[in-house]
Amino acid sequence: EVQLVESGGGLVQPGGSLRLSCSASGFTFSTYAMHWVRQAPGKGLEYVSAISTNGGITYYADSVKGRFTISRDNSKNTLYLQMTSLRAEDTAVYYCSRETVDYWGQGTLVTVSS
Amino acid sequence: DIQMTQSPSSLSASVGDRVTITCRASQGIRNDLGWYQQKPGKAPKRLIYAASTLQSGVPSRFSGSGSGTEFTLTISSLQPEDFATYYCLQHNTYPWTFGQGTKVEIK
Repeated sequence: EVQLVESGGGLVQPGGSLRLSCSASGFTFSTYAMHWVRQAPGKGLEYVSAISTNGGITYYADSVKGRFTISRDNSKNTLYLQMTSLRAEDTAVYYCSRETVDYWGQGTLVTVSS
Repeated sequence: DIQMTQSPSSLSASVGDRVTITCRASQGIRNDLGWYQQKPGKAPKRLIYAASTLQSGVPSRFSGSGSGTEFTLTISSLQPEDFATYYCLQHNTYPWTFGQGTKVEIK
């Protein structure tokens, strides 16, 4: 069974940093590109970032470029999102998804507030 | 960026009604489109991929059509469990983009 489990969310002050993790199981993680998608409270879905199978190619939405870094550890079947210089508008539930966007994790809530 | 214009933003319907939701892409995306259902507090669930292919396990009352710039999700006979928010997602060109969502409510 494919499972994606996000963790690492929480309350952080504006300007702070946080690292999200997404632990994958039930499929060959190293053969799938991976994505992060977020959803602000009461809002729609926003595509955030993507990473290729070996981590050599990454993509970022303009809204997070230069502040967020996506990475992966195929030996640990884990996807990461390092978030720095956080802003109130980054408050959202962050979901990870695999390449085909068929399976999603349950999401982890990031709240940026003083 | 490719803009996905989804309509309507909300609709009220009764059990048994036929419901149609549309997504229009600002440029051609072939059939690189999926439809997702989201219920409150839950992750999105894929219903349709490649514009018209039903995800395994999804009831056959859901169907998708379209190619290029115009896409449609149809629910042939709305059931109580179908009241949710629906999104389209284009994965033809980065940045991938979602439609704004359609909230399907009970009339």
